Amino acid sequence: NAGVMQNPRHLVRRRGQEARLRCSPMKGHSHVYWYRQLPEEGLKFMVYLQKENIIDESGMPKERFSAEFPKEGPSILRIQQVVRGDSAAYFCASSPGTYSYNEQFFGPGTRLTVL
Amino acid sequence: KQEVTQIPAALSVPEGENLVLNCSFTDSAIYNLQWFRQDPGKGLTSLLLIQSSQREQTSGRLNASLDKSSGRSTLYIAASQPGDSATYLCAATGNQFYFGTGTSLTVIP
Repeated sequence: NAGVMQNPRHLVRRRGQEARLRCSPMKGHSHVYWYRQLPEEGLKFMVYLQKENIIDESGMPKERFSAEFPKEGPSILRIQQVVRGDSAAYFCASSPGTYSYNEQFFGPGTRLTVL
Repeated sequence: KQEVTQIPAALSVPEGENLVLNCSFTDSAIYNLQWFRQDPGKGLTSLLLIQSSQREQTSGRLNASLDKSSGRSTLYIAASQPGDSATYLCAATGNQFYFGTGTSLTVIP
């Protein structure tokens, strides 16, 4: 059973470009979470999704950031018009049910560098 | 809002020593608490999950305890090895998943 997959592992963008980060949950997992880890800071929750639904996006910046988890295919975290402050490691996790009772399994992360 | 604190921020011990990592949280209304390990430049590996109704969980040389009333969890590592060197994170699950800033552990051969 493959773990949580994220791609790309490293992504370099220039200011103003768009970044698309992909996450494929573990087989059988229908709940996906995105986190951001800024340099020298802890992990911060961004968004919680189930298939075709955003459950909780209270940690997402109000502008430029969006996330989706379509019926088919991976979850996508999209950052429009990136700025240097977006440089961070973005982690995806998945669980078979709600995180209240289920262990979360993390992917290896995507390290975004904005030049 | 839940705040999760981990002390110490960094710890260096000689190989073979037993050690305790601390995690405290401000809101005791949690569903569970999870301990992770993060190696440099890598993702998180889940170590132990303690449900709110449980007091402790054990896996090999690791033992995690949970005291909801005092807002504390500890991760005990027995007979430490150089391969245990990593950053250890705790996360409290309430209406969201709140991470501590981690304890960076170095085990010296």
